[in-house]
Formats: sequence, C-alpha cells, structure tokens
Amino acid sequence: AQRVTQPEKLLSVFKGAPVELKCNYSYSGSPELFWYVQYSRQRLQLLLRHISRESIKGFTADLNKGETSFHLKKPFAQEEDSAMYYCALANAGKSTFGDGTTLTVKP
Amino acid sequence: KAGVTQTPRYLIKTRGQQVTLSCSPISGHRSVSWYQQTPGQGLQFLFEYFSETQRNKGNFPGRFSGRQFSNSRSEMNVSTLELGDSALYLCASSLTGQESNEQFFGPGTRLTVL
Repeated sequence: AQRVTQPEKLLSVFKGAPVELKCNYSYSGSPELFWYVQYSRQRLQLLLRHISRESIKGFTADLNKGETSFHLKKPFAQEEDSAMYYCALANAGKSTFGDGTTLTVKP
Repeated sequence: KAGVTQTPRYLIKTRGQQVTLSCSPISGHRSVSWYQQTPGQGLQFLFEYFSETQRNKGNFPGRFSGRQFSNSRSEMNVSTLELGDSALYLCASSLTGQESNEQFFGPGTRLTVL
C-alpha cells in the first residue's frame, strides 16, 4: 500500500530563514510525487511536481529514491509562504496525500 | 477557463439521512476524483471517475458512492449519514487522470451531520 508521511504538523520560521518541509513515502514502484499548497481562504492548488524538476515561488523538491523522500525546500522564506502544504503520491490514478504541514513565516 | 465548481458549498443534515454532492470539472477534463478532508484524517481519497466509469476506489464503506455523467460532471452520494461523515468534501479534476496530470481542486462542500 502506498503511504505518505509528513512528520511535522506545524513548522514556524522567521522571514528570510531557510525552510524545509519533510515528506517521506512508501511505495514499491516509481511514483509520481507532488507538493500542493493551500493558502488561507483559497482552494488547494499544485505547487510543483517532481517530474518537472522546476522551481516555483522559490521552492524546490528533489526526489530521493534511496531515502524515499521528497522534501520541499526554500532558501529564504517569505511571509506570503505561510500556508498548509501537502505532499502527494500518485499511482494508477489514485492519489495519496500526507496529513499536511502548516507553515508559518514570522516577520 | 472556469475552475472546478462544487454545489452546494454548505450542507447540514441529520444522522440517517442521505446527501448528494455535485462537482463540475474544468471543461475538457475527463477525470474527477473525490476526497474527504477532516482535521484528524487529513485528505482521504474516496474514488475517481473517468469516462463515466469508476476507475479507482479508496477505503470507504459502501455508503459512499458516486457517478459521472457523459459531460464529465460527477455526483457523490452518502447514504445513512453518520456523525463521523462531517467533513469537507473536495472534488478535483484532471485531463485524463494520469499520474503526471495536475489535479485542479474545487472549493469543497462542507457537510455537517447533526
């Protein structure tokens, strides 16, 4: 069975500090991994996906198959990054989401 | 392009009743997935429909069912409501439901069971 674990429910950093949101997964095949974000009073939306290998809003995420991780990183956090972040794994049309991490960036 | 819409946005029901929620995907999207979001359980996958067929199913009891129409609009039905069914129900659409497809989420329907 596929599983996604986000060990931190809450994460708080100061503006300008680096931030890393952890995501570990369990899946025997080659998964497709995503990070979704939900800003206050907005709907859930895609932030980035591992196959794109892109940086969105300064965020990057590298798939580490050896450690089965897909951590989300940003070198300098901004206040507007405060949101709920979900890591998700997709396989055969089924998506499994982690429990989410609430990131608060303090001024 | 209009986003995913869900109706109604809020619903209050009592135990034992049944409820039907509706989702209209983005035009051209053929895959619709449903999720239950609760504070304690996070986002739980209910099922996914593609071309009017249920293609994937999560671990929910048979009281939860759905369907998809030829225009890709989807409905979800919950029968014999229980207090624990109180949640935000999210619908997401994607082009084909392939793993690499981005899912676009609706605003959700907030269901309260009294």
